Amino acid sequence: EVQLVESGGGLVQPGGSLRLSCAASGFTFSSYAMSWVRQAPGKGLEWVSAISGSGGSTYYADSVKGRFTISRDNSKNTLYLQMNSLRAEDTAVYYCAKSPIQWLVPSPGPYFDYWGQGTLVTVSS
Amino acid sequence: DIQMTQSPSSLSASVGDRVTITCRASQGISNYLAWFQQKPGKAPKSLIYAASSLQSGVPSKFSGSGSGTDFTLTISSLQPEDFATYYCQQYNSYPITFGGGTKVEIK
Repeated sequence: EVQLVESGGGLVQPGGSLRLSCAASGFTFSSYAMSWVRQAPGKGLEWVSAISGSGGSTYYADSVKGRFTISRDNSKNTLYLQMNSLRAEDTAVYYCAKSPIQWLVPSPGPYFDYWGQGTLVTVSS
Repeated sequence: DIQMTQSPSSLSASVGDRVTITCRASQGISNYLAWFQQKPGKAPKSLIYAASSLQSGVPSKFSGSGSGTDFTLTISSLQPEDFATYYCQQYNSYPITFGGGTKVEIK
């Protein structure tokens, strides 16, 4: 059974940093691309970033480019999102999502087959 | 960026009704379109990819169609567990974008 468990969320001040983790199990982690998708309170879904199975290719939404870094440790079956220079508008539940593909190319992008339960990030003073 | 517009934004329906939700892309996306279901406080659940292919384990009462810019999600016979918010997502190009959601409520 595929399981994705996010952690690392919490309350952080504007300008601060946070690192999210997503522990994966039930599949060969290194064989699949992964993404982060967020949802602000009461709002819709926003894709944040994607990484290929090997970690060699990454893509970012313009809203987080230069501030967030996606990475993965395939030996630990864990996906990460390092978030720096956080802003109030980054407040959201952050979901990790698995794609049924390994490689990432400019087109088409990834779609998702499994999602974690999410971790809440609140940016506020 | 490709804009995804869903309609309606909400609808009321009865158990047993056939429900259709529409998603329109601001430019052609071939069939690179997925649908998700989300219940309050829960993670999204993947329903359909490639516009019309059912994810493993998803019941056949869900169906998708369309290509290019216009797509539909149909629920053939609405059941109590189907009351939720539904989102479409394009993955033709980056940035990946989602529709604004359609909330399906009980009439």
